[in-house]
Amino acid sequence: QKEVEQDPGPLSVPEGAIVSLNCTYSNSAFQYFMWYRQYSRKGPELLMYTYSSGNKEDGRFTAQVDKSSKYISLFIRDSQPSDSATYLCAMSYSGTYKYIFGTGTRLKVLA
Amino acid sequence: EPEVTQTPSHQVTQMGQEVILRCVPISNHLYFYWYRQILGQKVEFLVSFYNNEISEKSEIFDDQFSVERPDGSNFTLKIRSTKLEDSAMYFCASMPSGANVLTFGAGSRLTVL
Repeated sequence: QKEVEQDPGPLSVPEGAIVSLNCTYSNSAFQYFMWYRQYSRKGPELLMYTYSSGNKEDGRFTAQVDKSSKYISLFIRDSQPSDSATYLCAMSYSGTYKYIFGTGTRLKVLA
Repeated sequence: EPEVTQTPSHQVTQMGQEVILRCVPISNHLYFYWYRQILGQKVEFLVSFYNNEISEKSEIFDDQFSVERPDGSNFTLKIRSTKLEDSAMYFCASMPSGANVLTFGAGSRLTVL
């Protein structure tokens, strides 16, 4: 079983739709969870950071962590064509400096 | 806004040559990283660096690779005797003390011919 799993997509949605992106993980020690956005041939750009369980909201973005299910989600409201990118989840735990990334989900928002 | 700067943006080299990729992390950050992304694949951890020494490395980071902080601002990744499979985007990242959030540079694309 992979440590972090993410559906690669592509996921195509119409402009204005609510987008749900997800990652599952196998290591119950993970407690730091991040979502990054990556445009083609660019570096990952941090969108959201969550520690342990719960929800966090920032503008159109909401991150959710369900540690009991080992499942994290990123919701994008009122999606825009400029949101078209690859979305990467990343996670880590205390005692390591290493962040493990999912494979990324490619999102296309159609105008 | 502070950013991580990487040079060169693209380097083409012949197989067997040595390359040095350079990074200027954000000035008050204390943890430095190199990640690699082969085209179409996931972002993979290579190495982390703290307090002038390697704090953790992956199985990818073998004797072919080395990192150095030659002065107070630069952080370099050296790849010796490059192979075709070293072709990838190499990302530098940094993190401040007390925050578990990585800031990435734009990447250096390495093409080995």
